[in-house]
Amino acid sequence: GAGVSQTPSNKVTEKGKYVELRCDPISGHTALYWYRQSLGQGPEFLIYFQGTGAADDSGLPNDRFFAVRPEGSVSTLKIQRTERGDSAVYLCASSAYRAGEKLFFGSGTQLSVL
Amino acid sequence: DQQVKQNSPSLSVQEGRISILNCDYTNSMFDYFLWYKKYPAEGPTFLISISSIKDKNEDGRFTVFLNKSAKHLSLHIVPSQPGDSAVYFCAASGGGAQKLVFGQGTRLTINP
Repeated sequence: GAGVSQTPSNKVTEKGKYVELRCDPISGHTALYWYRQSLGQGPEFLIYFQGTGAADDSGLPNDRFFAVRPEGSVSTLKIQRTERGDSAVYLCASSAYRAGEKLFFGSGTQLSVL
Repeated sequence: DQQVKQNSPSLSVQEGRISILNCDYTNSMFDYFLWYKKYPAEGPTFLISISSIKDKNEDGRFTVFLNKSAKHLSLHIVPSQPGDSAVYFCAASGGGAQKLVFGQGTRLTINP
């Protein structure tokens, strides 16, 4: 029983570049979440998938951020024209429970935009 | 607006004593509350939860108390152990929102 897997664990990029962050949820979990955690803060909600569809994307900060989950399993968070303020740890979580309960988190991707 | 607040950024406790971590919330629609623990370079891991129909939930050394009228919950760890040193996050959900809202975290240090 593997947990939630996120790749890469670290990503360094230059301002203006495009990045993709990948999340492999726990097998069978239908709910998948992306959160962002800045230094000294708690995880901040970005987007929630139930199956293949984005059920709530209210946390995406602007249209540079986009996420997909085409087959209802692996998800990719895509950030266009990265800015220095995008630097943070991006956390993915999945859940088999009622949405909003007991999320299982991956170790995150540390994104650094230079 | 910060709907879930942990007002103590850090807490230091002697090994063997009780650790009490506090959390306040403002959204009266929240009906489910969780505590997560986070070690450096790892994702948060679930610790304990409580539904709004209860005022206490216990699991081994960990007890969560919920005071709905005060919109306050606390996590008690007794006895505290060195391995409990971590950042603890309070989280809440409810009101039809399919997501957890997290507090800022409290860094707990257990001193030998």
